[in-house]
Amino acid sequence: RKEVEQDPGPFNVPEGATVAFNCTYSNSASQSFFWYRQDCRKEPKLLMSVYSSGNEDGRFTAQLNRASQYISLLIRDSKLSDSATYLCVVNMDTGRRALTFGSGTRLQVQP
Amino acid sequence: EPEVTQTPSHQVTQMGQEVILRCVPISNHLYFYWYRQILGQKVEFLVSFYNNEISEKSEIFDDQFSVERPDGSNFTLKIRSTKLEDSAMYFCASSKGLGQETQYFGPGTRLLVL
Repeated sequence: RKEVEQDPGPFNVPEGATVAFNCTYSNSASQSFFWYRQDCRKEPKLLMSVYSSGNEDGRFTAQLNRASQYISLLIRDSKLSDSATYLCVVNMDTGRRALTFGSGTRLQVQP
Repeated sequence: EPEVTQTPSHQVTQMGQEVILRCVPISNHLYFYWYRQILGQKVEFLVSFYNNEISEKSEIFDDQFSVERPDGSNFTLKIRSTKLEDSAMYFCASSKGLGQETQYFGPGTRLLVL
């Protein structure tokens, strides 16, 4: 089983749409969870950390379900500038700092 | 806002040559990392560095790789004898530590081995 698994997409949505991405992770001992975004040929940039209680930052909402080992990202009112690849990132083990990346889900927001 | 910087942005080298990739982490960060991303593939962890020594490394980080903090600001990744399969984007990252685990990535060095 892949360590961090995401639907590769692409998701093609119109401006203003709501879109949801899902991610599963294999290690139940995983401690920290993040969503990063990556524009073509650029570095990953932190979008938001994901907490057990769920968290929201403007149009973005992240949820964590530890029992199902599942993370989600919801983007409301999509903008053209949201077009990017969204990376699900997990710190898999206590005491380790290495991040394990999913392959990413590509989002294309269309006018 | 402080940023991680990397030089060069692009590097072309011949197979078997040594390359050194340079990074300047965010100034008050204590942990430094190298990751790589082969074109079309996911980002992969190589190594982490704390208190002037390697704290973790992956299977990818074999004897041809080394890291160093030669002075108070630079953090380098050396590849001793490059192979074709080392062609990738190499990202440096840093984190504050002390419970602040978010890693901030530099813009990357695109390495092409011919």
